[in-house]
Amino acid sequence: NAGVTQTPKFRILKIGQSMTLQCTQDMNHNYMYWYRQDPGMGLKLIYYSVGAGITDKGEVPNGYNVSRSTTEDFPLRLELAAPSQTSVYFCASSADAGGGYTFGSGTRLTVV
Amino acid sequence: ILNVEQSPQSLHVQEGDSTNFTCSFPSSNFYALHWYRWETAKSPEALFVMTLNGDEKKKGRISATLNTKEGYSYLYIKGSQPEDSATYLCAFMDSNYQLIWGAGTKLIIKP
Repeated sequence: NAGVTQTPKFRILKIGQSMTLQCTQDMNHNYMYWYRQDPGMGLKLIYYSVGAGITDKGEVPNGYNVSRSTTEDFPLRLELAAPSQTSVYFCASSADAGGGYTFGSGTRLTVV
Repeated sequence: ILNVEQSPQSLHVQEGDSTNFTCSFPSSNFYALHWYRWETAKSPEALFVMTLNGDEKKKGRISATLNTKEGYSYLYIKGSQPEDSATYLCAFMDSNYQLIWGAGTKLIIKP
């Protein structure tokens, strides 16, 4: 099993550009999450999904959008990138609401 | 505002020594306490999910305890090895399944 796969691993964006961070899991997990991790800070939840067709905002959703058209895929869209969105982004999934999370390998995004 | 505190922030330990560190979390609306190990340039990996007061879990040389009444969990590593070098994250899950993360304890094992 591949687990949780994120692409790309690295990306540099110019201010105002848009991009989509891809996340796919092959474990048939209903729950999926997007986090950002800034230096010296804990993981912050951006958006999450409890199943296909259902998404909800986390702690820091501004400037991002998500969709969940299938169980496997949970892409994160950045519209009009800003320097404040420079961060490492992690996608994760879990089999149920209270279970341990499986993380992807992360995307390091720099906005210049 | 719910807060999860981990201490110490970083820790240097001699290879072969045992060590432990702490996660403090709110003692109300508790559902679960997660521990993750995060090696540099990799992604966090789940170690334990603990739900009951008094829980003790073990995985090889790593073990964890849970006290939900006073809001703390300890992670223990016995006989530290260089491969134990990582950041150890804890996360408090409340009764709405919201996960709140600590900032981690960075463990460096000196050979």
